[in-house]
Amino acid sequence: KQEVTQIPAALSVPEGENLVLNCSFTDSAIYNLQWFRQDPGKGLTSLLLIQSSQREQTSGRLNASLDKSSGRSTLYIAASQPGDSATYLCAGEWIGTASKLTFGTGTRLQVTL
Amino acid sequence: EAQVTQNPRYLITVTGKKLTVTCSQNMNHEYMSWYRQDPGLGLRQIYYSMNVEVTDKGDVPEGYKVSRKEKRNFPLILESPSPNQTSLYFCASSLSGGNSPLHFGNGTRLTVT
Repeated sequence: KQEVTQIPAALSVPEGENLVLNCSFTDSAIYNLQWFRQDPGKGLTSLLLIQSSQREQTSGRLNASLDKSSGRSTLYIAASQPGDSATYLCAGEWIGTASKLTFGTGTRLQVTL
Repeated sequence: EAQVTQNPRYLITVTGKKLTVTCSQNMNHEYMSWYRQDPGLGLRQIYYSMNVEVTDKGDVPEGYKVSRKEKRNFPLILESPSPNQTSLYFCASSLSGGNSPLHFGNGTRLTVT
C-alpha cells in the first residue's frame, strides 16, 4: 500500500527566507506527484504536477522536484512572503490506482513579518 | 470562471436523516472524485468517476453513495448519516484523471449529531 508522509507538520520562517518542504513516499513506481496549497476554510489549489518522466517543475517562486529512487519530493519556495502562509500537501498517484491520489497530512507553513 | 462548486458549505444534521451534497464543475472534466478530510488522517478518497455513468469505490466508501448521470454533476449521498461521518468533504475534478491537475471545491463541513 502506498503511503505519503510530510515532515514537519508545522514550520515557521521569517519573511524573505528560502525554504524547502519535504514529501516522502513508499513506492518508487509513482506515476505523478502533485503539490497543493490549502488555505483555512478553502479547498485545495494545485500548485505543481510532476510526471514520473520529469525531475522537476517550476512556477514563479515555486520549484518542485521528484526523486523516485529515493522516494522523495521537495517543494522549494524562494523569497517567502506572508501570503505564502498556508498548509501545503503533496499527493502521489500510482499506476493501476485509477487516478486515485494518496495524500500526505500536510505541512502548515507560517511566514512571519 | 472555471470552478468546482459544492453545496452546502455547512450542514448540521441528525443521525439517520438522508442528505445530499451537490457538486458541479463547469470545465467539461471527465474525472470527478469525493474526498473527506479528517485531522491526522489527511484526505481519503470516498468515490470517484472516470466518466458519465462510471463510478467506483475509493478507500472509504462505506455509508456513501454517488451517481454520475451528467458529466458536470457528481452528488454525494448519505442515506443514513452517522456521527462518524462528521467531517470536511471535498469534491474534485480533473480533465482526464491521470496526469491532470486536480481542481477542488471549497468544501462542505458536515456535522452529524
